[in-house]
Amino acid sequence: SAVISQKPSRDICQRGTSLTIQCQVDSQVTMMFWYRQQPGQSLTLIATANQGSEATYESGFVIDKFPISRPNLTFSTLTVSNMSPEDSSIYLCSVEEGRSYEQYFGPGTRLTVT
Amino acid sequence: SQQGEEDPQALSIQEGENATMNCSYKTSINNLQWYRQNSGRGLVHLILIRSNEREKHSGRLRVTLDTSKKSSSLLITASRAADTASYFCATADYGQNFVFGPGTRLSVLP
Repeated sequence: SAVISQKPSRDICQRGTSLTIQCQVDSQVTMMFWYRQQPGQSLTLIATANQGSEATYESGFVIDKFPISRPNLTFSTLTVSNMSPEDSSIYLCSVEEGRSYEQYFGPGTRLTVT
Repeated sequence: SQQGEEDPQALSIQEGENATMNCSYKTSINNLQWYRQNSGRGLVHLILIRSNEREKHSGRLRVTLDTSKKSSSLLITASRAADTASYFCATADYGQNFVFGPGTRLSVLP
């Protein structure tokens, strides 16, 4: 399975600022996904990021708040913009491997907004 | 509406016992996947079961799928303290929409 890393692993940020989270995969993948996991909750898909096209956002998430880049088949970034305490969550990237349909996840970025 | 729903929400058992978690969903699926998450860290992929499969095994894990009842179960046999974690099911439909259930928090007491 793909090995996925994320940076930073955690951060504490002040409200009104922005944080960019990086996701690196050790192999080329077509589909990458970004999820949010609020404290004590399950995972919610933010957007799907395919290389060479605009990210597709789920209902309730907008590009101005969560801009995503996908410059190549092994890398993506998610920016959390103009943060508020409600954005305090774990943010996870995942990839779907080929035809297996299995999704594999990075270790997550734990964000606290004060 | 949420696709996967697990029950119970929380489960506490003694080491050596079996743990069973259930997942129900609402629409047709291509596959269903189970994950483990330790203390708010990344998710570990456990098993994928396809819609045309009824049972899969991996070590101490057994997953069943009943598409007529739109439900799946994850059985962990001979549980260990290290199995303490949250377990999530996630369903993928034919449009590759991937939806997680709320999860079951499993505590295995030594």
